[in-house]
Amino acid sequence: SQQGEEDPQALSIQEGENATMNCSYKTSINNLQWYRQNSGRGLVHLILIRSNEREKHSGRLRVTLDTSKKSSSLLITASRAADTASYFCATDARGRQAGTALIFGKGTTLSVSS
Amino acid sequence: GAGVSQSPRYKVAKRGQDVALRCDPISGHVSLFWYQQALGQGPEFLTYFQNEAQLDKSGLPSDRFFAERPEGSVSTLKIQRTQQEDSAVYLCASSFARGAFNEQFFGPGTRLTVL
Repeated sequence: SQQGEEDPQALSIQEGENATMNCSYKTSINNLQWYRQNSGRGLVHLILIRSNEREKHSGRLRVTLDTSKKSSSLLITASRAADTASYFCATDARGRQAGTALIFGKGTTLSVSS
Repeated sequence: GAGVSQSPRYKVAKRGQDVALRCDPISGHVSLFWYQQALGQGPEFLTYFQNEAQLDKSGLPSDRFFAERPEGSVSTLKIQRTQQEDSAVYLCASSFARGAFNEQFFGPGTRLTVL
């Protein structure tokens, strides 16, 4: 079963615009991670935010975490065509034996056109 | 340095055949994970190794699925008597630290098609 649900499922924007993706999850977590997957390729880690953090930045990426609402958002500023990919949030659900798995959502497919 | 590698990249099997998928993690990484990704879905956890110990295999969908990491490095995921519903991309990931608390490095995956 999947823990996270990303919203929207698909997003189409123009180069230079900002893209915002949201993720909701169900159980308590230690951290939440965002990954990117280009078509036909493996996942690449983007950013990790711990449960005691509220906001984190990395380059053009900004992630927020609201543990009271069990939700997170990923903002990509000044998007580029190369940002076209699927984006997944993933959590390590507390209570799972030794934090042994990442639980992924279904992903948001982002298309950036030039 | 080299990332996580997986082989084969593509595998076509007839229903009922056994398959073996290989994962070479990043050297020195303690944790190794297998995930299954169906088309249009996010990856779903299959199993987790810490060095050679398989600490969690709760995600394996049936007893036809078996994974091993005998020397704490290379891992093999074996699927016996493959079924059409096994068609998916199988992703391997490794991590320097124990558990799922840190960044995982993913391989390119093996796309399995069962006819």
